[in-house]
Amino acid sequence: DVKVTQSSRYLVKRTGEKVFLECVQDMDHENMFWYRQDPGLGLRLIYFSYDVKMKEKGDIPEGYSVSREKKERFSLILESASTNQTSMYLCASSPLNGNYGYTFGSGTRLTVV
Amino acid sequence: SQQGEEDPQALSIQEGENATMNCSYKTSINNLQWYRQNSGRGLVHLILIRSNEREKHSGRLRVTLDTSKKSSSLLITASRAADTASYFCATGKYGGATNKLIFGTGTLLAVQP
Repeated sequence: DVKVTQSSRYLVKRTGEKVFLECVQDMDHENMFWYRQDPGLGLRLIYFSYDVKMKEKGDIPEGYSVSREKKERFSLILESASTNQTSMYLCASSPLNGNYGYTFGSGTRLTVV
Repeated sequence: SQQGEEDPQALSIQEGENATMNCSYKTSINNLQWYRQNSGRGLVHLILIRSNEREKHSGRLRVTLDTSKKSSSLLITASRAADTASYFCATGKYGGATNKLIFGTGTLLAVQP
C-alpha cells in the first residue's frame, strides 16, 4: 500500500522553539507539498518541491522553511514557533504529471504554547 | 488564495439518500479533483476530472464539470453512514514546474443512520 508518512500525529512545542515536521513517501513521486489546515480557511499551501533540493513558496511561506535532500523526504521547519502556527499540517506527494491526485499523510496536529 | 468555494458548507441527510455538493472556481483550470477527509485525518483522493471532460463516474460517485460556468458538482448516491466526512474540491493548474492544487474550504457531510 502506497504511503505518505508524517513523523508525528500530535506535537506540542513552546513559543520560540525550532520545530521540524518530517514527511516521507514511498511512491517515488517528484512532487511534495506542505499545507496547513485551519477551520474556515481550508487548506493553504506553504511550500512545495518538484525535485531534490528544489523548493518553491506557496501562498503562506512566512515563518517556514523546507528541506528536500532526498527524493522521498520533505521536511517543514518552523524557525521560531509562534502560537499562530498552531494548526494541522498536511504533507502530500504526487507524480510530476499533473493528471494524478495527491496522496496525503495523516497529518500532524501542532500546538504551540 | 482560495480558488474553490464549496456549497453548501454543511449537509445532513439520511442513509440511503443522495448527497450533492457543488464547487465554484474563478480561473481557468487543467483539472478539478474531489477529496474526502475523515475527522482529524489526511485527505483521500476520490476522483479527477479533466477540463475537457463533462462527467465522470466512480462507483457511487458522479462528478460533473461545467467550465463555462466554472463549476463542478459531486453526487454521492445511496449514501451510507461511513460517507460522513468533509469533502473538498481542488482545482489544478499547471504553472512553472508542476501542477499545484488549490483547495476550497469544504462541505461537511453528515449521514444519519
